[in-house]
Amino acid sequence: RKEVEQDPGPFNVPEGATVAFNCTYSNSASQSFFWYRQDCRKEPKLLMSVYSSGNEDGRFTAQLNRASQYISLLIRDSKLSDSATYLCVVRDSGYALNFGKGTSLLVTP
Amino acid sequence: NAGVTQTPKFQVLKTGQSMTLQCAQDMNHEYMSWYRQDPGMGLRLIHYSVGAGITDQGEVPNGYNVSRSTTEDFPLRLLSAAPSQTSVYFCASSYSGSDEQYFGPGTRLTVT
Repeated sequence: RKEVEQDPGPFNVPEGATVAFNCTYSNSASQSFFWYRQDCRKEPKLLMSVYSSGNEDGRFTAQLNRASQYISLLIRDSKLSDSATYLCVVRDSGYALNFGKGTSLLVTP
Repeated sequence: NAGVTQTPKFQVLKTGQSMTLQCAQDMNHEYMSWYRQDPGMGLRLIHYSVGAGITDQGEVPNGYNVSRSTTEDFPLRLLSAAPSQTSVYFCASSYSGSDEQYFGPGTRLTVT
């Protein structure tokens, strides 16, 4: 199985902080990259796709480095509601998604 | 739209029992899949389907069967439950050619 490795976490940060998560993947032929968010005892939901040019969605910025096989997620101005587990997800060829184990974030008042 | 629905939400089985986990979607998605999530592990693909009548194995298919007789439904059958199958099971669906998968709320299964 192709591996997706994430920072072990957990990350405990105060409100307003900036936090970064990193992820590496082993299959150089991987085609698509994502960050999913999973709240406690809930289903995963797509947070954002990750493109080689980098992409931003409000306070969230995702970057992909294909040469280093490295994906990152930056969260600026953290909110209490950002507390969740963040899953790094990679799609090789075909349909199947490969999930990292997730990094837990707790934002405290 | 209800999205992806799963039943039951919780289930306790004894070793050797069989059961079917139900999954349905009302978004007319071609692709459907089953994952299991265990503590300290990423989600792992059990089986998937790219359309009615077509199924294929994922990473951890042993002990599970699936069928896809309609676009809407994709049940997962446990043939003879084992404690190693204690897990949270998620069903997901997507349009063909789309990278976003929509997940159901999960079924928490305990096998004693």
